This record gives sequence, C-alpha cells and structure tokens, in this order.
Amino acid sequence: DTGVSQNPRHKITKRGQNVTFRCDPISEHNRLYWYRQTLGQGPEFLTYFQNEAQLEKSRLLSDRFSAERPKGSFSTLEIQRTEQGDSAMYLCASSPGRGGPTEAFFGQGTRLTVV
Amino acid sequence: ILNVEQSPQSLHVQEGDSTNFTCSFPSSNFYALHWYRWETAKSPEALFVMTLNGDEKKKGRISATLNTKEGYSYLYIKGSQPEDSATYLCAKEAGGTSYGKLTFGQGTILTVHP
Repeated sequence: DTGVSQNPRHKITKRGQNVTFRCDPISEHNRLYWYRQTLGQGPEFLTYFQNEAQLEKSRLLSDRFSAERPKGSFSTLEIQRTEQGDSAMYLCASSPGRGGPTEAFFGQGTRLTVV
Repeated sequence: ILNVEQSPQSLHVQEGDSTNFTCSFPSSNFYALHWYRWETAKSPEALFVMTLNGDEKKKGRISATLNTKEGYSYLYIKGSQPEDSATYLCAKEAGGTSYGKLTFGQGTILTVHP
C-alpha cells in the first residue's frame, strides 16, 4: 500500500454536469475525510467517515454534494449540477481513527474546473 | 481568535536564511495542532502533531513550538534550502466527537531562492 490514492487527478466539466471523484485510503485506516481547497485558502472540511458511517457533514455543503464509503473501504464524492463556484482542489485524507491524535495522510487531490 | 490564522501569507528568502512562521488558533476545545508541508503537485505531508502546552518538536532543520494557553504555534526552518519551498499549513484538531477533523489556516507560501 503506497498511500492515499485519488482519481481522477484533474477533471474539467461543463456547468450543470455531474461529477464523481474516488478516494482509496490506506487500507487499515478507519477514518476518511474530504476537504476542499480554493485558491488562497487552506483546505476546508467537507465530511468524514468512521468506517462506512458518515459522521459529520459541513453545514457549508449544499445538497448537491453527496459522499459514500461502502463497506468502509474506498469513498466517492459526487457533485450534482456543478456550478463554477465548485471549481477547487478536492482532497481526501485517511487516519487510523484511534489511539490519540495522529497525522492525517492525504492524497494528491482532484482538481475540478467547471467551465 | 475565531479561526486558524497563519502569517505571513507568503515569504521569499535566500538559501541559507533561517525563517519562521506563526499559526494562531482558538485555544478553546483544543486537542492537537498539526503542521503540514504541501509541495506543488504532491500530497500534503505531515511535519508535526503537537498536543501539550510547551511542546517542542524537531525534524532535521525544521522545528515547532506550541502554546495552547494563548493559542499559537511557531514553525522554524534553519538554513533554508530550495527544496524547502512549499506551502506550510497548520491545522487545529478539536476534541470530543470532532477529533480527527482539522481546521486549517490559509497557509504560508515559502519560496527559497538559490
């Protein structure tokens, strides 16, 4: 296992289309997080999973966003009816989720451009 | 302080210079303070996870200190090298049911000129 993997790395889509991103975490990690980063800002929390359960979703996240983590393995983040404001870097991270504070391991991100 | 804030936003130094950045955060509901380095086209990489007031951590030429009572952390780089050029992010991890969830500052972009 070489770390957290995200696909695709880049996505260009037309406004109004749906997009789906995938994240494969480190295999033994229970927690999986999604963050979004826009230019000039730090990553912003979107949602996280403990195994297959989605425990928290940011209030900033509209109903057009949905995330799943079936069987507690990989996760998908879907954005419906994309808007230009959705253009950002979407980062996935995983962590063991137990034993005290530990570092999160990040993927390289998916850069979304909505035209 | 209501949010995690970092200063400066960007920094240009010459190779061999020493530099430091500041991260300020709300001291309430504190669990841990994380520092990450994010190089272009790569994944953010953890540098330190700090939990105790007065913590000091060191990795090679990079070190960090933590003051949880006043809500700040400093990151120091001694003898900067061009390969240190990156965005440095700090993040607060809150306690309780939100443990693991990170609130990031906007980052400090460091450019080290040869």
